[in-house]
Amino acid sequence: DAMVIQNPRYQVTQFGKPVTLSCSQTLNHNVMYWYQQKSSQAPKLLFHYYDKDFNNEADTPDNFQSRRPNTSFCFLDIRSPGLGDAAMYLCATSPRTGGETQYFGPGTRLLVL
Amino acid sequence: GENVEQHPSTLSVQEGDSAVIKCTYSDSASNYFPWYKQELGKGPQLIIDIRSNVGEKKDQRIAVTLNKTAKHFSLHITETQPEDSAVYFCAAPAPAGNMLTFGGGTRLMVKP
Repeated sequence: DAMVIQNPRYQVTQFGKPVTLSCSQTLNHNVMYWYQQKSSQAPKLLFHYYDKDFNNEADTPDNFQSRRPNTSFCFLDIRSPGLGDAAMYLCATSPRTGGETQYFGPGTRLLVL
Repeated sequence: GENVEQHPSTLSVQEGDSAVIKCTYSDSASNYFPWYKQELGKGPQLIIDIRSNVGEKKDQRIAVTLNKTAKHFSLHITETQPEDSAVYFCAAPAPAGNMLTFGGGTRLMVKP
């Protein structure tokens, strides 16, 4: 009964080679988030969608893009991965923004060679 | 925006002892305070949360207390077990952006 699903769980890519990570949810939540988490650090919000409205964090590099074709799916595109982009990428959902519980997926660990 | 500080960064306790993790926040308008547990290689999972209209909430061995005047909230785990070993994150929303700001995390190690 997985609620937030991320695929793949592990992704290996080459320096500069575009990569896409995917997230799907069965909760029918309006909001979907993408976080980057590096070792021993807190998750760092990259951007979020409220329905189809895209909201980018001010310090998210242009190298990171996102798509949400429908309520259930959201994608993270890294156009030209660098070594510094190796991290765990977490997808989360919530019914609304504000004081709402966020439900996290298991994450995709990205390795850049 | 919101600033959330979490202490300690690491905590080692003996099985059966209690563990306490504290967080302070800066925005007095914040009204929702979740705690997440993250096991190795997994995503964070909500374990307990509290809203600003209550001072304490308990769920079996886990409790959270909130002091709005002092702007801090704490996670209490009693009768710790080895499976409690994980990284714990507190969070608070920044009302301006409605996004959660996470504390730096606490690595809890429970020794058998």
